[in-house]
Amino acid sequence: EAQVTQNPRYLITVTGKKLTVTCSQNMNHEYMSWYRQDPGLGLRQIYYSMNVEVTDKGDVPEGYKVSRKEKRNFPLILESPSPNQTSLYFCASSPGTDTQYFGPGTRLTVL
Amino acid sequence: GENVEQHPSTLSVQEGDSAVIKCTYSDSASNYFPWYKQELGKRPQLIIDIRSNVGEKKDQRIAVTLNKTAKHFSLHITETQPEDSAVYFCAASISNSGYALNFGKGTSLLVTP
Repeated sequence: EAQVTQNPRYLITVTGKKLTVTCSQNMNHEYMSWYRQDPGLGLRQIYYSMNVEVTDKGDVPEGYKVSRKEKRNFPLILESPSPNQTSLYFCASSPGTDTQYFGPGTRLTVL
Repeated sequence: GENVEQHPSTLSVQEGDSAVIKCTYSDSASNYFPWYKQELGKRPQLIIDIRSNVGEKKDQRIAVTLNKTAKHFSLHITETQPEDSAVYFCAASISNSGYALNFGKGTSLLVTP
């Protein structure tokens, strides 16, 4: 089944404790991206990647890192999470036709 | 990034009525305009999209219109049903950034029986 997966789906952590949210797609898509969704603010792009080893900043990259060592994986790294990074995170991928397919989401709470 | 404005933020209609959601964008180079539906607790799902070389597109009860001159596009849902209740997001492609999208802030649609 063609899909985008994210792990974990739910995470509660404390300020400053490094964490990684994984994203994987099995559709051989070149383009992948990360969004955060906050009430009243819609979806805001954090980082995106056009291909392996090619990443670029979106609208709200501060406090986040990404890597794209393989085509299928695009992990989101929070080196030192803070409470303002509490949010719902979505990974998405695209086959290069603009259409983006979203993962199931990761709800992160930083205490 | 460039802005996408979406209105209204909430919309309540009776079952069977039509619903219209409007978006405006500022990047004149945007050429792809998708609409996503997000049900409570779920991921956004693409429901319809339109490209800049087309003025209107229809899929059963859903239609999207695009006015490139005025830089606005709209989602029309006819014969609404309770299962249409969800948050709807419009988006516009960002020029020179691959397949990146700018999203509107969403419209919460409630269809009452």
